[in-house]
Amino acid sequence: ETGVTQTPRHLVMGMTNKKSLKCEQHLGHNAMYWYKQSAKKPLELMFVYNFKEQTENNSVPSRFSPECPNSSHLFLHLHTLQPEDSALYLCASSQAAMDSNYEQYFGPGTRLTVT
Amino acid sequence: AQSVTQPDIHITVSEGASLELRCNYSYGATPYLFWYVQSPGQGLQLLLKYFSGDTLVQGIKGFEAEFKRSQSSFNLRKPSVHWSDAAEYFCAVGTNAGKSTFGDGTTLTVKP
Repeated sequence: ETGVTQTPRHLVMGMTNKKSLKCEQHLGHNAMYWYKQSAKKPLELMFVYNFKEQTENNSVPSRFSPECPNSSHLFLHLHTLQPEDSALYLCASSQAAMDSNYEQYFGPGTRLTVT
Repeated sequence: AQSVTQPDIHITVSEGASLELRCNYSYGATPYLFWYVQSPGQGLQLLLKYFSGDTLVQGIKGFEAEFKRSQSSFNLRKPSVHWSDAAEYFCAVGTNAGKSTFGDGTTLTVKP
């Protein structure tokens, strides 16, 4: 595997379910990000992890719970979601989240539908 | 606070025609600027980036962008568009703590 991978690619869940999204980067990066991309809305940064430490939580509801066990893996745990949470969830990584000159590498995303 | 504006929500060009996508930014310091492309159902892919030096930067897939400090712009160009260039394009400015602020995107449609 190369680059940034995300599983599953598609997920349908009910509002009472609990599920997790997984992201893995094979680039040797130290920073990882979660974004939400909804139709007709700009890309929304959710969380940033730098060297496994969370450095940004962009006022995300607690029904989204991130986990970063090491610099290569990032999870987004989901519970009691709402229909408006349906979106494409993108994971990205970069060399570090301390400087602003590092580009981000994105995974293909998980298309989440909440029913 | 930093911001990025992409004035054109949707652009349609004919295959073989030239393309320019506009991007204006607002940032207090020297900006780090990026253009990304997103094909349907995919993540974003970096096309090119500007940090310093030559204000005309070359990227992948035949794209280039020109940084104009006086106009706070970083417009993306391609001399001859191919049907495979149809996608959504995002301009971004790198900010503190490694975050990027993205524009709302411009959807490019290519007519045969």
